[in-house]
Amino acid sequence: AQSVTQPDIHITVSEGASLELRCNYSYGATPYLFWYVQSPGQGLQLLLKYFSGDTLVQGIKGFEAEFKRSQSSFNLRKPSVHWSDAAEYFCAVVPSGGYQKVTFGTGTKLQVIP
Amino acid sequence: DTGVSQDPRHKITKRGQNVTFRCDPISEHNRLYWYRQTLGQGPEFLTYFQNEAQLEKSRLLSDRFSAERPKGSFSTLEIQRTEQGDSAMYLCASSPEGAPREKLFFGSGTQLSVL
Repeated sequence: AQSVTQPDIHITVSEGASLELRCNYSYGATPYLFWYVQSPGQGLQLLLKYFSGDTLVQGIKGFEAEFKRSQSSFNLRKPSVHWSDAAEYFCAVVPSGGYQKVTFGTGTKLQVIP
Repeated sequence: DTGVSQDPRHKITKRGQNVTFRCDPISEHNRLYWYRQTLGQGPEFLTYFQNEAQLEKSRLLSDRFSAERPKGSFSTLEIQRTEQGDSAMYLCASSPEGAPREKLFFGSGTQLSVL
């Protein structure tokens, strides 16, 4: 069965510092990969997605992620974090066919300090 | 595009009572999903509709749970004889034809607390 691991439950960074959130997946083939963000009281919002092609994908709000097949990883990065980025981030996978039966990771909660 | 709306936002109930949640997807989306999210966890897939047909149900969806989408528009999720373990955020999402490449649009969820 497919699974997603986000090893960091909670991360604290200073405003303006760089950010990397880790994600590893386990799946027989290369699935479709996503990062979602969830702010308190809000629904999940898609940051970016990877299907195929260029392994570095750009998303909204200045985020990017890099797919590394050899490491089964899809880490999320941002060069300079803003206070408004404080939220919970979920990595997710979908089988590369069919519908959006998404498997989410357990999430990483990001705290931004001034 | 008014987004996915869910009602109610919060529901507090006593153990053993029945509850029903409603989801209104984005109007042109024919695919509708229910997910459940417990504290400290990511959302977990519960069920999927394409138009009015319920095409998949997770084993997480016990016999006490039933979901419908009678006219292929809004959907309801009913939990009978609620248990404390049912306390969670219930998320609805929709997507247009062309998924899984098309992204999911999530509602803000219904937070259920079973006392």
